[in-house]
Amino acid sequence: AQSVTQPDIHITVSEGASLELRCNYSYGATPYLFWYVQSPGQGLQLLLKYFSGDTLVQGIKGFEAEFKRSQSSFNLRKPSVHWSDAAEYFCAVVGGADGLTFGKGTHLIIQP
Amino acid sequence: EAGVAQSPRYKIIEKRQSVAFWCNPISGHATLYWYQQILGQGPKLLIQFQNNGVVDDSQLPKDRFSAERLKGVDSTLKIQPAKLEDSAVYLCASSLRGGRRNTEAFFGQGTRLTVV
Repeated sequence: AQSVTQPDIHITVSEGASLELRCNYSYGATPYLFWYVQSPGQGLQLLLKYFSGDTLVQGIKGFEAEFKRSQSSFNLRKPSVHWSDAAEYFCAVVGGADGLTFGKGTHLIIQP
Repeated sequence: EAGVAQSPRYKIIEKRQSVAFWCNPISGHATLYWYQQILGQGPKLLIQFQNNGVVDDSQLPKDRFSAERLKGVDSTLKIQPAKLEDSAVYLCASSLRGGRRNTEAFFGQGTRLTVV
């Protein structure tokens, strides 16, 4: 069965600094990978997805992620964070069935 | 385009009572999912429908949870009887069609259930 590990429960970043959120997955075949963001009281919003092709994926809100098969990773990055980026971030993988398997999430705190 | 609608937003019940949640997916979306998100964890898939048929319910506690999607549109998720550990946010999501490449799911705001 597939699984997702997000090693960092909390991350604190200063506004304007760069950001990297880590995600490691476990799946035997080619994974389909996603990053979602969840703001307080809001539903999950898709930031970006990787199915195949270019391993560097661009998403909304200035986010990007890089798929590295050799490291089983799909880390999310942003060159300069804004206070509005404070939220919970979830990495997810689709395995044999269609439903998403999510990691436990990383809580992003932005310092002024 | 209207999003995924869920109701109620909040529900507080006593243990052993029953509760039902309603979901209206995005128009035209054939695939509907129910997820359970316990505080501090990522969402966990409970059940997936393709039109009005069940595709995957392997993680649904069938002794107390049930779900249906009549006419392939709206869906209801029921818990009977509720336990304290059912306290969570229940998220409904829909996607245009199933298949691994078509799983761009759109999520509703969820129903926060508290069992006391």
